[in-house]
Amino acid sequence: GNSVTQMEGPVTLSEEAFLTINCTYTATGYPSLFWYVQYPGEGLQLLLKATKADDKGSNKGFEATYRKETTSFHLEKGSVQVSDSAVYFCALRDYGGATNKLIFGTGTLLAVQP
Amino acid sequence: EAGVAQSPRYKIIEKRQSVAFWCNPISGHATLYWYQQILGQGPKLLIQFQNNGVVDDSQLPKDRFSAERLKGVDSTLKIQPAKLEDSAVYLCASSPGTGMETQYFGPGTRLLVL
Repeated sequence: GNSVTQMEGPVTLSEEAFLTINCTYTATGYPSLFWYVQYPGEGLQLLLKATKADDKGSNKGFEATYRKETTSFHLEKGSVQVSDSAVYFCALRDYGGATNKLIFGTGTLLAVQP
Repeated sequence: EAGVAQSPRYKIIEKRQSVAFWCNPISGHATLYWYQQILGQGPKLLIQFQNNGVVDDSQLPKDRFSAERLKGVDSTLKIQPAKLEDSAVYLCASSPGTGMETQYFGPGTRLLVL
């Protein structure tokens, strides 16, 4: 079945460091891909998305490119801030009849130190 | 615009007791989802409603879990009787129409079964 694999955390970085969180997927067809972020005590928020191969999603300085050839959707940011500390989830949208469920990875905890 | 509301935020019960969670989606959203997020894992879809009809409940443990969405608005998820392995965060999400759009998540209900 469809699945998402993302790098295990925690990832600990100093402020202004470069961030990469790896995400690869297994899917039949052409799923849409997402990154969600979960700040402490809050619900999941959509960070960015891409719906087809070679699309680049971007938001708040974060970017991810849908790579069909490597089945990847790695999250990057050039200069992280303390406020970026959160859990990041990679997900794909599984199309199966009328269902629209999201399939999530296990999440990666990012801790940014001042 | 108000977000997805959930209550209670926290619940502690003993095994074999019953518990219910409530969700109020964003006004006008036709599609509602319940996800289960076990510690250290990504959210997993339990059930998806389109208006007040069930679209997907393939991963809902129907011997103990039930959900309803009366009048196509609010929804209730019930567990009876609870088991230790039901300890998790229960997330409610909604989306505007057919479910192909972005899903908006509530803050979740954290359940601890002792």
